[in-house]
Amino acid sequence: DVKVTQSSRYLVKRTGEKVFLECVQDMDHENMFWYRQDPGLGLRLIYFSYDVKMKEKGDIPEGYSVSREKKERFSLILESASTNQTSMYLCASSSPGDSRTGELFFGEGSRLTVL
Amino acid sequence: AQKITQTQPGMFVQEKEAVTLDCTYDTSDQSYGLFWYKQPSSGEMIFLIYQGSYDEQNATEGRYSLNFQKARKSANLVISASQLGDSAMYFCAMSPNAGGTSYGKLTFGQGTILTVHP
Repeated sequence: DVKVTQSSRYLVKRTGEKVFLECVQDMDHENMFWYRQDPGLGLRLIYFSYDVKMKEKGDIPEGYSVSREKKERFSLILESASTNQTSMYLCASSSPGDSRTGELFFGEGSRLTVL
Repeated sequence: AQKITQTQPGMFVQEKEAVTLDCTYDTSDQSYGLFWYKQPSSGEMIFLIYQGSYDEQNATEGRYSLNFQKARKSANLVISASQLGDSAMYFCAMSPNAGGTSYGKLTFGQGTILTVHP
């Protein structure tokens, strides 16, 4: 069974803290993504990666950075967390080579609260 | 830029009845893909159905069908014979090109919460 695993389901952090959200996929997918989900706004793309050590900005990259040192792992970093980054964060992966639809496979999400 | 609009924040349906969830989109691309995802209260996103912009027939997957009206730029999801387990948030999404090369750069709508009553 294919799987995208996010390291933490729930996190509570303080303003100014550095936050790491980890995501691991076991499907050997080339592409990995970080989305943010907020009520009334749906999901918005923060960053994505097509390959190891490469990254591209999505629609809302401000305040975030990412790291992809290995194919299976994609980390989202909040250098200095702020209250407006309180949200649900969803990691996803896909492989354009083996899916006719370009379907995304999602993790279960990480709900971050910044106090 | 692509935009997806879901105008129904919430919908209610009786068990065993059909329900239509609305989705309209805006794009200047000629080639694009349209998706529907389901998100139960547990949080995971479940892929339901896909329609490519060049597909002439409406996509169907079991009880799910996508009513694709290209001229009207709509991609409504029809769920037949609703079940209690269909209660969830539903998202419409769009990719910048069709045919499996979207690379996952989906643009999502705001979502519709569907509640199925017994």
